[in-house]
Amino acid sequence: AQTVTQSQPEMSVQEAETVTLSCTYDTSESNYYLFWYKQPPSRQMILVIRQEAYKQQNATENRFSVNFQKAAKSFSLKISDSQLGDTAMYFCAFKSGGSNYKLTFGKGTLLTVNP
Amino acid sequence: NAGVTQTPKFQVLKTGQSMTLQCAQDMNHNSMYWYRQDPGMGLRLIYYSASEGTTDKGEVPNGYNVSRLNKREFSLRLESAAPSQTSVYFCASSEELAGGDQPQHFGDGTRLSIL
Repeated sequence: AQTVTQSQPEMSVQEAETVTLSCTYDTSESNYYLFWYKQPPSRQMILVIRQEAYKQQNATENRFSVNFQKAAKSFSLKISDSQLGDTAMYFCAFKSGGSNYKLTFGKGTLLTVNP
Repeated sequence: NAGVTQTPKFQVLKTGQSMTLQCAQDMNHNSMYWYRQDPGMGLRLIYYSASEGTTDKGEVPNGYNVSRLNKREFSLRLESAAPSQTSVYFCASSEELAGGDQPQHFGDGTRLSIL
């Protein structure tokens, strides 16, 4: 079974600075997908970014980018120019590329952006 | 632009009572999911429905039943609520094909307390 580990329960960053959230996973598969979701205090789960394992190029979405290291099974999220609205719980998630529909989540990292 | 709609948003039950959580999506998605979120545990999959007419157990199915009423609606039922089922429940949907990378879209959650 796949596992997803987020080793940082909480992090904080000053507004306008850059922060990196860590995620590692364990799988024996070669084809899979990785996601970062954001959950602000409103509780809604919002997709931030996704990465396909067979793509070597790291995904980027505006201020959000990932550092995907397939051999190390690492999938970190970098947030540049942090904004107060980035304050949220961030979840890393793994999805198999096979017939399994299951999305496996890490336990989350609470990010606080300070003014 | 409703997306995934869950009702109710909050509910308090007494131990032993029954309850059905409703979920509907208007994105014409094939697959739907029910998760529970507990502090420090991330999201865990309760049941999912890969397509209309099918349902499968997830990671924590005990004490729950589901019904995929039609393509739009996927309900979660607690037959005899227990305090251990106090949680926040999320419904999600995706345009899922086996092995696909389509992200899941989440509702706003239902906060359920069992006394």
